[in-house]
Order: sequence, then C-alpha cells, then structure tokens
Amino acid sequence: EIVLTQSPGTLSLSPGERASLSCRASQSVSSNYLAWYQQRPGQAPRLLIYGASNRAAGIPDRFSGSGSGTDFTLTISRLEPEDFAVYYCQQYGNPPRTFGQGTKVEI
Amino acid sequence: QLQLQESGSRLVRPSQTLSLTCAVSGVSISSDYYSWSWIRQPPGKGPEWMAFIYHTGSTYYNPSLNSRVTISIDTIKKQFSLTLSSVTAADTAVYYCARAPGYCSGETCFPPYYFDAWGQGTLVTVSA
Repeated sequence: EIVLTQSPGTLSLSPGERASLSCRASQSVSSNYLAWYQQRPGQAPRLLIYGASNRAAGIPDRFSGSGSGTDFTLTISRLEPEDFAVYYCQQYGNPPRTFGQGTKVEI
Repeated sequence: QLQLQESGSRLVRPSQTLSLTCAVSGVSISSDYYSWSWIRQPPGKGPEWMAFIYHTGSTYYNPSLNSRVTISIDTIKKQFSLTLSSVTAADTAVYYCARAPGYCSGETCFPPYYFDAWGQGTLVTVSA
C-alpha cells in the first residue's frame, strides 16, 4: 500500500501569511490521483482538491494544489482565520485508498 | 442537497460486532457515477478508508481489516450499512459515511476515487 507522509506536522503562521504543506508518497501515485481535505475541530473532513490540482466546488481560489509522482503540495496563498485547521492528503491511484497523518496549521 | 446521516451502536463490547447505518437524502443512491463508503478516524489520527459499495452491490474493501468488515446497501430505504466483527479497543474511532465518485458500466464497477461528501460522523467506543 502507498504510505503518505505529510510535513511539517504543525505549521505555525499568522493570518495573511502563505502556507505550504507537503505530502510525499512511498511510491508514485498513479495518474496523480491525489486529494486534499481540510478538517476543522469537531467536523468531518471537507474535500478541497482532487486530481492534485483541481479545486472542488465552492473552494476559494486561495487554495491550490500542485505536484506529481511522489511529491505534492497544498498552498494557501493568504491564510484566513477559518483556514486554521488540520489538512490531510489522500491517494486514490492505487488500492487501498490511503490518507496521510495530517498537518495542523495553527496560529 | 446531499445529506448523509450515520446511526447505530455507540458503545460496543470487545469481541462483539459493530453495526452502523448511513441514511442518504437529497440525491439518488442508485447513480452509476457514485459509490458509498465508510471511513473511520481514531482519536488524534488520520482517517482510514474501510469499504466502498455501489448500488449494484459491487464492493471494495480495505485488506487491512482482515475480512472483519462487511458493507451492504438497501436502495429502497436509501441507506447503506457497515458491520465490523470481533472488535477491540483499537476499533474505537469516529466513523464517517461518505460519497465517492466512481463509475459503473453495465455489470462492471470501477474502484471509486476521493470522497466529496461526508456525514457528520459518530463516535464508537469499544469498551467492556
């Protein structure tokens, strides 16, 4: 199975700053089938990005995804107060579907 | 608007069977372009995908669950269900139902992709 390693574990930033979150796969993700999710405390994860770089419906354009093969990045261009949360990557190119362990973006 | 609502046992004794149901409203459960899934998240950890099912009954399971998991669907009642047998404390988690885009062509359904809608989740505790 593909293991996804996210870094850093915690990112301490201020509103208005830029955030870059990394997701590295233990082997190449087929067709760059990688998704990103946001999870606020006490809530279910919310889909942000699919296909490595496609924003899901209703997601603001300050969220962008990039990367291919084994290295992927989620960028939040200017942090808003509601963006402080935990972010997970997930691959769906190979069975079984797997998630990373998460990156917490905190103030 | 799609809504997913989990229900079922919140406290399960070790070695017993966990049972959950997800009610689907606002969309058709019988689409060829979506499957239905269970995902769990232990406290403080990342999510773990457990199983997918299409309206045809076609299923995909996470092999790490060692055949303890069964997913089923009732298209008339617009709900799908999860059973997990021989539970231990390691099965304590928030359990989510979710929708996953996918594709069926005739009798063949392909492995679904990401998860584009989630229920609110239900905490299941395994304890004596």
